[in-house]
Amino acid sequence: SYVLTQPPSVSVAPGKTARITCGGNNIGSKSVHWYQQKPGQAPVLVIYYDSDRPSGIPERFSGSNSGNTATLTISRVEAGDEADYYCQVWDSSSDHVFGTGTKVTVL
Amino acid sequence: QVQLVQSGAEVKKPGASVKVSCKASGYTFTSYGISWVRQAPGQGLEWMGWISAYNGNTNYAQKLQGRVTMTTDTSTNTAYMELRSLRSDDTAVYYCARGGVAAAAPLDYWGQGTLVTVSS
Repeated sequence: SYVLTQPPSVSVAPGKTARITCGGNNIGSKSVHWYQQKPGQAPVLVIYYDSDRPSGIPERFSGSNSGNTATLTISRVEAGDEADYYCQVWDSSSDHVFGTGTKVTVL
Repeated sequence: QVQLVQSGAEVKKPGASVKVSCKASGYTFTSYGISWVRQAPGQGLEWMGWISAYNGNTNYAQKLQGRVTMTTDTSTNTAYMELRSLRSDDTAVYYCARGGVAAAAPLDYWGQGTLVTVSS
């Protein structure tokens, strides 16, 4: 089955840039989606098809995908960005696969 | 606005079944699919399966094959997820989420979640 690996945690100071990686075998050949989940809330789609932003998601959120790593970048981090972030792909043999999740802490 | 409203929390005994509903509004129900995703306490997200609201086609996660059934009622714009032979490790928050006409589409709107507790 297809596995997506994320760092358990990322810490960033307000105003700085957070980069969250999502590793998978040849993930660059797949479409990657990213979700933000705050405590006690349902996930929210923040990036889809590698780098597209849904309406209402700030431009500070961006995505890229190449080789074996996809990356979610949060620029000018704010306290409200503190949350768990999950990457997700569709794999023909494993169906929807979610990454292990990354907790972003704003210092 | 798009809304997915789920049924309330459930407590079940091991071996029982649970059926969670997800009522959609604010969009053309039959133009999309619904995925179900669960999250055990303190754990990550796990995709359970997808159903097309257009034609009822389903695609279930392999580990749940035989225990899960997803259905839709287009007269009420409601999706249902039934999980049978419940075990303690099925204790989780269950989410419905709107997907596309294909199972591979991203999940752009989510329900509020339904806590299912399995305990003797």
